[in-house]
Amino acid sequence: SQKIEQNSEALNIQEGKTATLTCNYTNYSPAYLQWYRQDPGRGPVFLLLIRENEKEKRKERLKVTFDTTLKQSLFHITASQPADSATYLCALRSGTSSGNTGKLIFGQGTTLQVKP
Amino acid sequence: DTGVSQDPRHKITKRGQNVTFRCDPISEHNRLYWYRQTLGQGPEFLTYFQNEAQLEKSRLLSDRFSAERPKGSFSTLEIQRTEQGDSAMYLCASSLGAGTANYGYTFGSGTRLTVV
Repeated sequence: SQKIEQNSEALNIQEGKTATLTCNYTNYSPAYLQWYRQDPGRGPVFLLLIRENEKEKRKERLKVTFDTTLKQSLFHITASQPADSATYLCALRSGTSSGNTGKLIFGQGTTLQVKP
Repeated sequence: DTGVSQDPRHKITKRGQNVTFRCDPISEHNRLYWYRQTLGQGPEFLTYFQNEAQLEKSRLLSDRFSAERPKGSFSTLEIQRTEQGDSAMYLCASSLGAGTANYGYTFGSGTRLTVV
């Protein structure tokens, strides 16, 4: 069956360090992968999209890699700040999804806590 | 445009009652999605509209759930004969096409449903 896995354990790091979050998937052929940030009681907020033919994408302090051989994406936040504390969700749009709905399937999210 | 709006933000209802939620997407977005999220989990796909047509429904969506998007603008999600297991955050998202290259979905803040 199709599965997206993110580390369910919270990630605790010190301010200024690089946070690295992992998203693994099985039985998908994703056309692209997205990362979202979610704060408690709020809807997810889109951060980055990376396509299957891209290895890496950057936006300010954020970097996403996508390895379709390993079926894995890594999400990095450099020079982390306490304001980066949130839950981060990865989401896939399957390239085989019929009707090209753009429907996203989400992982369960990883909570990041950045301590000052 | 102020983004995706959902109403109400919170709803407490007794088991067996019907509830209806409303979503106002970004006006130029032709695609609208409903998701459900429970504590510690990622958003779970419920249904999808392109303009006014409902093109996909999750198998998880029982016949107690119905969604509409008249005239391809706002959408409503109705749950009939609510059960305690329906307690969750109901999220609405909109996008243009299949999600333009760098923007992903725009989510609302959600409606928190509590069935007592």
